Amino acid sequence: ELKVEQNPLFLSMQEGKNYTIYCNYSTTSDRLYWYRQDPGKSLESLFVLLSNGAVKQEGRLMASLDTKARLSTLHITAAVHDLSATYFCAVVGIQGAQKLVFGQGTRLTINP
Amino acid sequence: EPEVTQTPSHQVTQMGQEVILRCVPISNHLYFYWYRQILGQKVEFLVSFYNNEISEKSEIFDDQFSVERPDGSNFTLKIRSTKLEDSAMYFCASSQDSWNTEAFFGQGTRLTVV
Repeated sequence: ELKVEQNPLFLSMQEGKNYTIYCNYSTTSDRLYWYRQDPGKSLESLFVLLSNGAVKQEGRLMASLDTKARLSTLHITAAVHDLSATYFCAVVGIQGAQKLVFGQGTRLTINP
Repeated sequence: EPEVTQTPSHQVTQMGQEVILRCVPISNHLYFYWYRQILGQKVEFLVSFYNNEISEKSEIFDDQFSVERPDGSNFTLKIRSTKLEDSAMYFCASSQDSWNTEAFFGQGTRLTVV
C-alpha cells in the first residue's frame, strides 16, 4: 500500500529565510504533485513532477523529484508572508492507477 | 480558464438524511474523482469514475456512497444516510485522462452533519 509522508508537519519561519519541505513515498511512482491549500479553500496545483531528476521552479518555490530515493522536496527561498498556507504532496502509485495518495500536509506560517 | 465547479459550497444536514453533492467537471475531461478532507486532516481518495462506471474506490466508499453522471455535464456524489463522521470537505476533481495528466480540483463542498 502506498504511503506518503511529509515533514515537517508544522513550520513557522521568518520572512526572508529559506526552508525545505520533504515528501517521502513508499512505492514506485513516476508522478508527484505539490498542492497549496489556504484555510477553507480548495487545492491549488503548484507543480507536477513526472520523471526522475525533474526540477520545477515558480517564483520563490522550487520542487524536485528523486524517484530512486522516493523523495520530493519543496524548497522555499526568501519566504514572504503570502506563502503562508498548507502544502500537500500527492503521489500516483503505479502506471494506470488513478488515485492520488496525499501526504499529511505541512502547515507553513511565515512571520514578518 | 476552465474550472471544476461544485454546488453547494456548504450543506448542513441532519444525521440519517440523504445528501447529493454536485460537480460540473471540465468539459473535455474523461476521468472524474471525489476526495474528502476531514477538518485539519489530509485529503483522502474516495472514488474514480470513467466511461460511466466506477474504476477505483477506496475502503471509505462503502454502500452508503454512490456516484452518478446523470447527464453530459454533472457528476454527483450521494450519501444515503449521513453520519456525524461524514462531516468533511468534499472535493470533486477531473482529468483529461488517467495517466500523465493533472487532476483539477473544484472549490469543495463543506458538509456538516448535525
